[in-house]
Amino acid sequence: DLVMTQSPRSLSVSPGEPASISCRSSQSLLSSNGYNYLDWYLQKPGQSPQLLIYLASNRASGVPDRFSGSGRGTDFTLKISRVEAEDVGVYYCMQALHMYTFGQGTQLEIK
Amino acid sequence: QITLKESGPTMVKPTQTLTLTCTFSGFSLTTTGVGVGWIRQPPGKTLEWLALIFWDNDEWYSPSLKSRLTITKDTSKNEVVLTMTNTDPLDTATYYCAHSTWAITSEYFFDHWGQGTLVTVSS
Repeated sequence: DLVMTQSPRSLSVSPGEPASISCRSSQSLLSSNGYNYLDWYLQKPGQSPQLLIYLASNRASGVPDRFSGSGRGTDFTLKISRVEAEDVGVYYCMQALHMYTFGQGTQLEIK
Repeated sequence: QITLKESGPTMVKPTQTLTLTCTFSGFSLTTTGVGVGWIRQPPGKTLEWLALIFWDNDEWYSPSLKSRLTITKDTSKNEVVLTMTNTDPLDTATYYCAHSTWAITSEYFFDHWGQGTLVTVSS
């Protein structure tokens, strides 16, 4: 079975500081078309998940440019250049190459 | 504006069949490249994808749950229904439906989600 592993599981960041979340897949997410089928979602407290990044590095509509995604193959990273209070929540990576599998989530809190 | 809303029972007994309905607006499931999926989240746990139905009637299922799931659509009512048989307390979760589409290439992501509905499986 394909496993998505996120690290860290939680992080505490001061406003204005950067944050980085890693996601590792047990199988390559590189499609034959050259794209990496990896998405990032944010679930704010008490809300439904929302799409942040698709195809590893493409911001979804309306997502602030402080969010960026990178990586290929099995290793991916979500970066927030300057954390804001509204970024609090649980971040999930999701692979979309072999059906769909989510990571365990990374809880982001503000210091 | 795309909206989705889940409805169904809040509680079912073990072994019963669970039927959930997703009612949506702002898009059509007859439009090429559109799908509606179901994802669930047990309390305090991560998300688990269940099923996805496409505009062309293609259906995808989670391999681990495929034998218990059926997803159908009624385009005239703008509804997608998920049926889960032989429920177990481990199926207790918030169930979300979500609009699915693709951009750039054929990777279907979930860009609009319903509010979710909590279903408890208990005797």
